Amino acid sequence: DADVTQTPRNRITKTGKRIMLECSQTKGHDRMYWYRQDPGLGLRLIYYSFDVKDINKGEISDGYSVSRQAQAKFSLSLESAIPNQTALYFCATIPFGGLKSYEQYFGPGTRLTVT
Amino acid sequence: AQTVTQSQPEMSVQEAETVTLSCTYDTSESDYYLFWYKQPPSRQMILVIRQEAYKQQNATENRFSVNFQKAAKSFSLKISDSQLGDAAMYFCACLLAGYALNFGKGTSLLVTP
Repeated sequence: DADVTQTPRNRITKTGKRIMLECSQTKGHDRMYWYRQDPGLGLRLIYYSFDVKDINKGEISDGYSVSRQAQAKFSLSLESAIPNQTALYFCATIPFGGLKSYEQYFGPGTRLTVT
Repeated sequence: AQTVTQSQPEMSVQEAETVTLSCTYDTSESDYYLFWYKQPPSRQMILVIRQEAYKQQNATENRFSVNFQKAAKSFSLKISDSQLGDAAMYFCACLLAGYALNFGKGTSLLVTP
């Protein structure tokens, strides 16, 4: 089984709809992240969480919200989707300490299209 | 704030040849990590190589190696004996301790037979 899973893998939705992207991890890592990838822009940080009670905005958090339901689950919501939120979304986790410190584990990505 | 710059949007290399992808970064922190990620058409993010800033020795992983110039804040990736499977988007990234990865915009690598 994959270490980091994302659902759905692909989603098409309409402008104004609410949508939730879910991320689950089996690594036992405390730190979880949501990134957005747009062509020519690389990956940009939306939100990150260091534990269930610690959630922080990234550089492009406007229009998004998150929920850390448990150590293993971190969801990203678009309250009212707009077309410029069409992108590839990645969830990632990171261990803290040990030989593989700071190596991020990425989910497979969710392709979101807002029409 | 930190920035990561990849100045080569596209690169091309012939099979079996060597190619170097450039990356510069800007941070005032002393404790950080640098990474190169590969993203093939499957869109999965695959870690290629990592470098701890406190280590002077350049990291190597089989055909992949880096040239880490800390004073110049440069972190280039060298791919030796290029293979068709190396064709992908490559991202350079910098991670500050206790924060999150900051990515460059990527370099698209084309490998020709």
